[in-house]
Amino acid sequence: GENVEQHPSTLSVQEGDSAVIKCTYSDSASNYFPWYKQELGKRPQLIIDIRSNVGEKKDQRIAVTLNKTAKHFSLHITETQPEDSAVYFCAAGGQAGTALIFGKGTTLSVSS
Amino acid sequence: EAQVTQNPRYLITVTGKKLTVTCSQNMNHEYMSWYRQDPGLGLRQIYYSMNVEVTDKGDVPEGYKVSRKEKRNFPLILESPSPNQTSLYFCASSLFGGFTDTQYFGPGTRLTVL
Repeated sequence: GENVEQHPSTLSVQEGDSAVIKCTYSDSASNYFPWYKQELGKRPQLIIDIRSNVGEKKDQRIAVTLNKTAKHFSLHITETQPEDSAVYFCAAGGQAGTALIFGKGTTLSVSS
Repeated sequence: EAQVTQNPRYLITVTGKKLTVTCSQNMNHEYMSWYRQDPGLGLRQIYYSMNVEVTDKGDVPEGYKVSRKEKRNFPLILESPSPNQTSLYFCASSLFGGFTDTQYFGPGTRLTVL
């Protein structure tokens, strides 16, 4: 089955710096790669996703890149702000109706 | 308002006392699933359901049961809870699951088994 590895587990940056979180997956059939943000005490919420027919997707300060050959994808946050502090999860999914497998999460801390 | 609801939000129980955590969505989603979240382990899928009367095991199904008798409801049943099932549980739903679309999470249920 699918296995998703996420690195780093913790990441501390200064406000205004960029943050990059990387994930690798094992199942070449996976073709949907969402990223979720979970603030303390709250539910995970989708912040951006990418599908296998796209190499990069951007939404304001957030971007995701996908390398299907190498089976890895990354989340890039530019100009970080204190409110970006949260746990970020990557995930990988395949055909409709199958399980979505999550990475173990990255705790991002942005200090001002 | 489109949402996923879970009840109860907090539950403290004792070993062996059967319990059910309810999950309901009002978005007519086909796909529903249950996750548990433990520190350092991320979100691990317990069970998922592609449609009414169709359920499948996720990564950590031992000690749990589910049913999907109606499209909107997907209860999680712990027949004989044990302390290692103390965790934060999330229900989630999506239109079709997997490849296609966003999963919407419920608010979570914090379960403590003494």
